[in-house]
Amino acid sequence: EDQVTQSPEALRLQEGESSSLNCSYTVSGLRGLFWYRQDPGKGPEFLFTLYSAGEEKEKERLKATLTKKESFLHITAPKPEDSATYLCAVQAESNYQLIWGAGTKLIIKP
Amino acid sequence: DTAVSQTPKYLVTQMGNDKSIKCEQNLGHDTMYWYKQDSKKFLKIMFSYNNKELIINETVPNRFSPKSPDKAHLNLHINSLELGDSAVYFCASSWTGSGNTIYFGEGSWLTVV
Repeated sequence: EDQVTQSPEALRLQEGESSSLNCSYTVSGLRGLFWYRQDPGKGPEFLFTLYSAGEEKEKERLKATLTKKESFLHITAPKPEDSATYLCAVQAESNYQLIWGAGTKLIIKP
Repeated sequence: DTAVSQTPKYLVTQMGNDKSIKCEQNLGHDTMYWYKQDSKKFLKIMFSYNNKELIINETVPNRFSPKSPDKAHLNLHINSLELGDSAVYFCASSWTGSGNTIYFGEGSWLTVV
């Protein structure tokens, strides 16, 4: 069964303290892996799409990487405004439907 | 200039009532979706429409009925609301195809009392 697991559920960091969020997936053929950011009271906001193992993408303090089993979202020197829930989703080759993880709630303390 | 807009943002209603949530996208996308996000933050797809035709209909009670008058609009009507229907409902849109990004609306917070 296609599945996405994100860890940790919650992560508290001090401002400037770099870390990584994990998204493990089991899917019969990967079309794409998506990272979104969701602020409280808002809809998910698109960050990155990764299509194949070894691919990396960066945006400001965020860098997403992909292997055949998992993706990492690396956050370098985070700021309080990076606080949000980060969601991962995969699109399987069997259909176009996205399978979502439960998210990691990231809190950056000043 | 909102890309995907949905109304209302907040809705509090009594059990047994019927309510609708409206959604419009101005991105020119050919596919629209309704997602439900529960208290644990899991996003579950409910419906997907491509060019006004239903292409995904997950296991959703038939009290939920989507309607797409044109490819820029996808409304969600809910009959006989139950307590368990309380959740956040997100409308979204994308182009059909592999790896295409889905863009979400701001969400509609439904509380059934």
